[in-house]
Amino acid sequence: DGGITQSPKYLFRKEGQNVTLSCEQNLNHDAMYWYRQDPGQGLRLIYYSQIVNDFQKGDIAEGYSVSREKKESFPLTVTSAQKNPTAFYLCASSMRTWGHEQYFGPGTRLTVT
Amino acid sequence: AQKVTQAQTEISVVEKEDVTLDCVYETRDTTYYLFWYKQPPSGELVFLIRRNSFDEQNEISGRYSWNFQKSTSSFNFTITASQVVDSAVYFCALSAYDITGNQFYFGTGTSLTVIP
Repeated sequence: DGGITQSPKYLFRKEGQNVTLSCEQNLNHDAMYWYRQDPGQGLRLIYYSQIVNDFQKGDIAEGYSVSREKKESFPLTVTSAQKNPTAFYLCASSMRTWGHEQYFGPGTRLTVT
Repeated sequence: AQKVTQAQTEISVVEKEDVTLDCVYETRDTTYYLFWYKQPPSGELVFLIRRNSFDEQNEISGRYSWNFQKSTSSFNFTITASQVVDSAVYFCALSAYDITGNQFYFGTGTSLTVIP
């Protein structure tokens, strides 16, 4: 089955630790995205990548980092510099960045205490 | 500037009622795409529909229908005979070219509750 997988579904970390969220897709999509969603809020773009070895900052990139070494994978690292990391993180992919629908993974709920 | 506005934050309806979710967009592009997504309580966003700016024909898919009107920059979503399973947050989105590179814009979502 084609789709997007994110792991883990729930993640707990202590303040001051970096944590990496996994995102893998087997849809052969060029573009991938990371969004953050806070309770009762919409989606905010963290980073996106249009192609392998390239990525761009979104609206709230501070305190986050990404890599895109393989077409299938777009991991997100939440660093200790991120002031309020507790949130629901959604990964998505699309054929291209413009004009194509995005398909989403199941999300990772990160709690930092 | 590109923008999507979903003015309805929360809507509650009784099962079997019809409900319309509003979406108003702003863009200067002549070629753009509009989308609707559903986010059930599980959290994963589900793609529902994509329309391009040159196709104003209304679309119907089962109990779902979409009304695209360029004259009012609106892309409204109607659920006919609502069911409890329709309870979710619904997002409208716009894809339009932007010199900043960010080409996908989500509205803030409308939370729909269908009461049995």
